[in-house]
Amino acid sequence: GQQLNQSPQSMFIQEGEDVSMNCTSSSIFNTWLWYKQDPGEGPVLLIALYKAGELTSNGRLTAQFGITRKDSFLNISASIPSDVGIYFCAGQRRDDKIIFGKGTRLHILP
Amino acid sequence: NAGVTQTPKFRILKIGQSMTLQCAQDMNHNYMYWYRQDPGMGLKLIYYSVGAGITDKGEVPNGYNVSRSTTEDFPLRLELAAPSQTSVYFCASSFPRGGGPPDTQYFGPGTRLTVL
Repeated sequence: GQQLNQSPQSMFIQEGEDVSMNCTSSSIFNTWLWYKQDPGEGPVLLIALYKAGELTSNGRLTAQFGITRKDSFLNISASIPSDVGIYFCAGQRRDDKIIFGKGTRLHILP
Repeated sequence: NAGVTQTPKFRILKIGQSMTLQCAQDMNHNYMYWYRQDPGMGLKLIYYSVGAGITDKGEVPNGYNVSRSTTEDFPLRLELAAPSQTSVYFCASSFPRGGGPPDTQYFGPGTRLTVL
C-alpha cells in the first residue's frame, strides 16, 4: 500500500536548537498534516497544509507542502523541553483516507 | 465538551476471547475512525465511518468489526483475540467537509490492549 517515508526516525538535540524533519512519498496527497504525540496520549494536530507550496506557521513550528505534492517538512525553532515527543506526518488522499508516517522521536539532551 | 473518550484504558485478553472497545464523541462529528498503533510505528486505519449507519474498511480491517448506530458512538469489536492484535487503539473524529477544517482529527487517549 501507500507509504510515507518519514525521517529522521529519531533526533537527539540540545535545548535551543532548531529541528527539521520531513516526509516523502511516491504518491500525491491532497493534504499534509503534522501531529505530535506525547507519551500515553493520542496524537494532536499541529499544522494542516492544503495547497502545494503552502507555508504555514504555528508559533515556533513551520511546515510546508511540497510543490510536487509528494513531500512536506516540519521545522521547530529554538526547541524547548516540552517539544519532546513523537511527531507524525500524515497525508490525506483524494478518497479522504489518511496515511501516517512512522514518526520522528524528538529527544532533548539535558 | 469531553471530546473523544475511549474505554477501557487498558485491557489484557487471552487468545480467543472477545471484547468491545468503546469510543464516544460529543462534538457532533460525522466522521469517526479507528486506528491501531504498534510499537515504533505510525497509525494504521482499521475502520472508519462517515456517518451513522455507514462504515467502511481501512488499511487493516481483518479481525475487527465496527458499528455506527448513533453519531456519538463507534465501538470496535474483536471477536477472536490474537497476539497480533496487541497494540494501542486510538479512536478519532472529525468534521465533515464543508462543516469546518475537514481534516482536523481529534483523537481519544487510546486503549492499550495486550493479548496473551
